[in-house]
Amino acid sequence: QSALTQPASVSGSPGQSITISCTGTSSDVGGYNYVSWYQQHPGKAPKLMIYDVSSRPSGVSNRFSGSKSGNTASLTVSGLQAEDEADYYCSSYTISTTPDYVFGTGTKVTVL
Amino acid sequence: EVQLVQSGAEVKKPGEPLKISCKVSGYSFTSYWIGWVRQMPGKGLEWMGIMNLGDSNTRYSPSFKGQVTISADKSISTAFLQWTNLKASDTAMYYCSVAVDGLYWFDPWGQGTLVTVSS
Repeated sequence: QSALTQPASVSGSPGQSITISCTGTSSDVGGYNYVSWYQQHPGKAPKLMIYDVSSRPSGVSNRFSGSKSGNTASLTVSGLQAEDEADYYCSSYTISTTPDYVFGTGTKVTVL
Repeated sequence: EVQLVQSGAEVKKPGEPLKISCKVSGYSFTSYWIGWVRQMPGKGLEWMGIMNLGDSNTRYSPSFKGQVTISADKSISTAFLQWTNLKASDTAMYYCSVAVDGLYWFDPWGQGTLVTVSS
């Protein structure tokens, strides 16, 4: 099972919006609404930002939103702030392999 | 508040065994999954395997099956990841996380355990 495909890097200026894509197949992203997104700052553990494609955990800024179309899920960060600079990973439930989950390749977000 | 606390950093030699831990506290659910994730230096996240602490059902990634063993002691709410024969290529940060049985996201995460394997 290959990792889900994400762009290696995305950048934006403060206040702008950016979108990170996460492309899989009908066995994972396209087949189930079980896509989650994780933010990871350097040297830190991953943090859940979005679950079930578009739900936001308590405490996560509403500047973060998720969506899905076909086999591609997306994370949008609006009103970009310096603290948003981090690595972002998508993860999806999958029936293609154990242990039932697959990560994306990861995207480095840079705030210019 | 749910917390996952992992054991401390380890420095080992190739061929040595190792067992690292992940203690879960504050979780009121009776059945949940513990996931282990590897992050090699400068690289992305990889699912190694997951274990249901209710029924001990364990599912490994093909890349890690036979290379590591995931186990748990329910009496102390602690999961373990162990190697019998470490390799230099096992040098990485290892994270644990939890997911409620029937839900499909992992939150929260442990702080990570850095494993360094060097002769």
